[in-house]
Amino acid sequence: QGQLVESGGGVVQPGRSLKLSCAASGFTFSTSVMHWVRQAPGKGLEWVAVIWSDGGTKYYADSVKGRFTISRDNSNNTLSLEITGLRVEDTAVYYCARARVAAFDIWGQGTKLVVSS
Amino acid sequence: DILLTQSPDSLAVSLGERATINCKSSQSLLYRSTNQDYLSWYQQKPGQPPKLLIFWASGRHSGVPDRFSGSGSGTDFTLTITNLQAEDVAVYYCHQYYSTPYTFGQGTKLEIK
Repeated sequence: QGQLVESGGGVVQPGRSLKLSCAASGFTFSTSVMHWVRQAPGKGLEWVAVIWSDGGTKYYADSVKGRFTISRDNSNNTLSLEITGLRVEDTAVYYCARARVAAFDIWGQGTKLVVSS
Repeated sequence: DILLTQSPDSLAVSLGERATINCKSSQSLLYRSTNQDYLSWYQQKPGQPPKLLIFWASGRHSGVPDRFSGSGSGTDFTLTITNLQAEDVAVYYCHQYYSTPYTFGQGTKLEIK
């Protein structure tokens, strides 16, 4: 069935940096395309970034381009999202998700990030 | 960017009745090489992550009750829930995987009348 567990969220001041992690288990992580999706408080879902299975191709939403970096470690079944120059509008629950049949079939429970001074 | 517009924003349906949610795309989501529409539907309950219901516009994900069905092609899609149950109260999102950025609809809140 597969499982994803995010970590690394918390309360961070604007302008600081943070790294979110997502640990995968129960499926073949190394052949899976992986995504980050976020949800601001009381708002809808926003796609953030994608990374191909070999890590060679990455795409980002315009709202995060240049500040967010998605990466993966296939030897440790881990997905990461490094965020620099944090902004108040980055406050959200961040989900990692696996892509399969052009959809997100496995989601983590999410990690909450609050950007506040 | 592909814009997905859901309608209605919210709806209230009686238990046992049918709920219909629409999703209109600003461009076709039919992927020629696979002849599949890259449109999926998700259910999200409060405090929980989204859950995949429908992929490729009409493919029901494993474990999803057959009360949930998807239809449509190109730019117009529908999620139908028949015999509405209390546990179906949630926000429903459509999503396109046709091209980056992989956008979502704004969500439709489903309640019991």
